Amino acid sequence: GEDVEQSLFLSVREGDSSVINCTYTDSSSTYLYWYKQEPGAGLQLLTYIFSNMDMKQDQRLTVLLNKKDKHLSLRIADTQTGDSAIYFCAESDDKIIFGKGTRLHILP
Amino acid sequence: DTEVTQTPKHLVMGMTNKKSLKCEQHMGHRAMYWYKQKAKKPPELMFVYSYEKLSINESVPSRFSPECPNSSLLNLHLHALQPEDSALYLCASSPQIRTGTDTQYFGPGTRLTVL
Repeated sequence: GEDVEQSLFLSVREGDSSVINCTYTDSSSTYLYWYKQEPGAGLQLLTYIFSNMDMKQDQRLTVLLNKKDKHLSLRIADTQTGDSAIYFCAESDDKIIFGKGTRLHILP
Repeated sequence: DTEVTQTPKHLVMGMTNKKSLKCEQHMGHRAMYWYKQKAKKPPELMFVYSYEKLSINESVPSRFSPECPNSSLLNLHLHALQPEDSALYLCASSPQIRTGTDTQYFGPGTRLTVL
């Protein structure tokens, strides 16, 4: 069945780049997503990438997709304290399948 | 405007109470969703409405009853809940249900506590 895997925790020093990785199994996924969830809040759509793209950049965010390896990454440049949250990778075919989420912790 | 609103923000109810969660969007989206999210877990799909008709029910217990009165509104009626139903309930919407192509926008959620 479909599965999305991501590491559960990442710790990064303020000002450095954060890279959150994700692997997925469903090769028919058309879109892949990154959602951000701050404590006690709902999910915020950060960015998405169409499956025929390799890269998408949006201000401090860079998404890289390796379709052959079914690997997706989210790079956050110049990480700030406000970036502290859980980041969910997700793929969609007939419904969204979420990873378990990566908790990003920012060190001063 | 990509906003999905949910009310109330917090809800505490007893196991014999009847309450409702509300969700609203004005983006013209024709698909709306209810998710349940337990602490430190990803959201789990409960129901999907497409063009105001129930399209997917992920084997959710009957104590949860969804309703879509019109294309902008989605309700979740709650009755005789159990303490293990305590969770964050998230609503989402997307333009349509089409395989893998429609991005879902989430509301802020209702934090439900069942005593």
